[in-house]
Amino acid sequence: ETGVTQTPRHLVMGMTNKKSLKCEQHLGHNAMYWYKQSAKKPLELMFVYSLEERVENNSVPSRFSPECPNSSHLFLHLHTLQPEDSALYLCASSQDRQSYGYTFGSGTRLTVV
Amino acid sequence: GNSVTQMEGPVTLSEEAFLTINCTYTATGYPSLFWYVQYPGEGLQLLLKATKADDKGSNKGFEATYRKETTSFHLEKGSVQVSDSAVYFCALTYSGAGSYQLTFGKGTKLSVIP
Repeated sequence: ETGVTQTPRHLVMGMTNKKSLKCEQHLGHNAMYWYKQSAKKPLELMFVYSLEERVENNSVPSRFSPECPNSSHLFLHLHTLQPEDSALYLCASSQDRQSYGYTFGSGTRLTVV
Repeated sequence: GNSVTQMEGPVTLSEEAFLTINCTYTATGYPSLFWYVQYPGEGLQLLLKATKADDKGSNKGFEATYRKETTSFHLEKGSVQVSDSAVYFCALTYSGAGSYQLTFGKGTKLSVIP
């Protein structure tokens, strides 16, 4: 079992749908992150949660809504997305937001049609 | 602000060739530096790291040395294998303003052919 598990691995949704991405970490970390990876663009940090409190939100549109019910789980709720939101969404975790590197999940490949 | 610049890809090498992927950074103070690798269909994995000047990170035959004087952290491997085909990301983290977020380069795709 990997340290950070993301589900689903692949998701196709229409622009009027509502869906959620799930991330679970089994490492005892206390910080979790959502990143967006689009083709030919740098990785974009979307949200940071530290001790279950959202500490950073990098100007992400409101159609993306994160939720962190506890230190092991992180969700990204999606609604009324646009085709340009199609990307690989990566979850990561770390301990105390320190410079020891993050552990990433395998990502959810999202396609908006 | 902080930034990372790495060489544009893709890079195509024959098996057993020498690999260098250049990475330079801009940051105030003393960032920590990382190389991550992303295999096809997977998330990112930490490959190696260095937290202070002149440190050398190494893993799986890959090496990178933190060069403060040239603000560089080039990735090298003496003999690449087909299994090294992946996208490589240089990254830094800096604790300025209480934030430890990672700043990534754009990634360099490596293809190793038999």
